[in-house]
Amino acid sequence: DQQVKQNSPSLSVQEGRISILNCDYTNSMFDYFLWYKKYPAEGPTFLISISSIKDKNEDGRFTVFLNKSAKHLSLHIVPSQPGDSAVYFCAASDRGSTLGRLYFGRGTQLTVWP
Amino acid sequence: EAQVTQNPRYLITVTGKKLTVTCSQNMNHEYMSWYRQDPGLGLRQIYYSMNVEVTDKGDVPEGYKVSRKEKRNFPLILESPSPNQTSLYFCASSSTGIEQPQHFGDGTRLSIL
Repeated sequence: DQQVKQNSPSLSVQEGRISILNCDYTNSMFDYFLWYKKYPAEGPTFLISISSIKDKNEDGRFTVFLNKSAKHLSLHIVPSQPGDSAVYFCAASDRGSTLGRLYFGRGTQLTVWP
Repeated sequence: EAQVTQNPRYLITVTGKKLTVTCSQNMNHEYMSWYRQDPGLGLRQIYYSMNVEVTDKGDVPEGYKVSRKEKRNFPLILESPSPNQTSLYFCASSSTGIEQPQHFGDGTRLSIL
């Protein structure tokens, strides 16, 4: 049973607009969350992370929001650029239980069109 | 250049023929991990290693073995491959664990006939 869910397989956004990618999780023990981006024929690359003691983390155009009560996080990209077109994976970890385990969602394909 | 190197990049083989996918990193990272990516299933962790001689199971360890005899190398072994292990495999490393950004290799596409 998947503990990290990305329910939107794809998202299409116009250049310059905001992209919002969503992620839900079921395990309330998860306390660290990450987003990775993947281009075709390449390995994933780290984008941004957030600890459960925070509800927001920003890095340039990328902001991750965490709502622990709803077990939901989202990645905002503002403004979106064509180079952001990629598959985005949400991942979560329960650091208190198994430090090296990482659970990924199924990914969301983001397409940013001009 | 800091990198994670996987070999081979592509392999077509037959059921039951033992194979090894090598993974090497040049960043002196303690943490290494293997993932497989399948359509509609995303990335799933196979095994990970917190340090030399320390390995543990991920989501889908069945049918795989790993070893971590030295810090830089983390080979993935399929002793008796089966068609359901046809997949795209990624090796990754980070300095100490999942809290640090993982550097991924470019992937190994395995086809088991």
